[in-house]
Amino acid sequence: GQQLNQSPQSMFIQEGEDVSMNCTSSSIFNTWLWYKQEPGEGPVLLIALYKAGELTSNGRLTAQFGITRKDSFLNISASIPSDVGIYFCAGPDSGGSNYKLTFGKGTLLTVNP
Amino acid sequence: GAVVSQHPSRVICKSGTSVKIECRSLDFQATTMFWYRQFPKQSLMLMATSNEGSKATYEQGVEKDKFLINHASLTLSTLTVTSAHPEDSSFYICSARVWGINEKLFFGSGTQLSVL
Repeated sequence: GQQLNQSPQSMFIQEGEDVSMNCTSSSIFNTWLWYKQEPGEGPVLLIALYKAGELTSNGRLTAQFGITRKDSFLNISASIPSDVGIYFCAGPDSGGSNYKLTFGKGTLLTVNP
Repeated sequence: GAVVSQHPSRVICKSGTSVKIECRSLDFQATTMFWYRQFPKQSLMLMATSNEGSKATYEQGVEKDKFLINHASLTLSTLTVTSAHPEDSSFYICSARVWGINEKLFFGSGTQLSVL
């Protein structure tokens, strides 16, 4: 199946700093989804991207769908302590009708107050 | 966004017992739901795809007789872990597909299963 390489694996930042993480793939994705997961909870959808080059914001979060369709990044501006969690990129497997998602391994974000 | 309700959030059971986990789409009809398993500090692993009115499709390596999936209505899918053993202890998460031009997948809040 398809694989997503997500980096960095973890980040330790100070409150107020900006954060950037990205996902790359060796194959083309037609959709990129970014999720945040907090301990003991299911992933929550942050941003969905459907067109190459698309840049979408959700509050302090901004994500872009790469032109090549093989990458995407997520930026968080002016981080706050509640941004702590694991961020996953995901995309549906191609060629199937069941919309099975492939997930990156996640980026663990820690924000120091 | 769409709301997916998963119940229970946490369950502790004895080895050999069966545990049922429910996943409901609250404000939309979900013809397709997915069941994932997640180990600590790892990503989500797809276990099976649940389609309303038909048999579930299991991923390679997932025992269909161990993890029984029923999707009897457009808003409810259940996962039953039969004869649970300690190695079945994990975080189980369901998700539901929202159809449309811009499709999305919404997740339940997860169930932490601990088998003693």
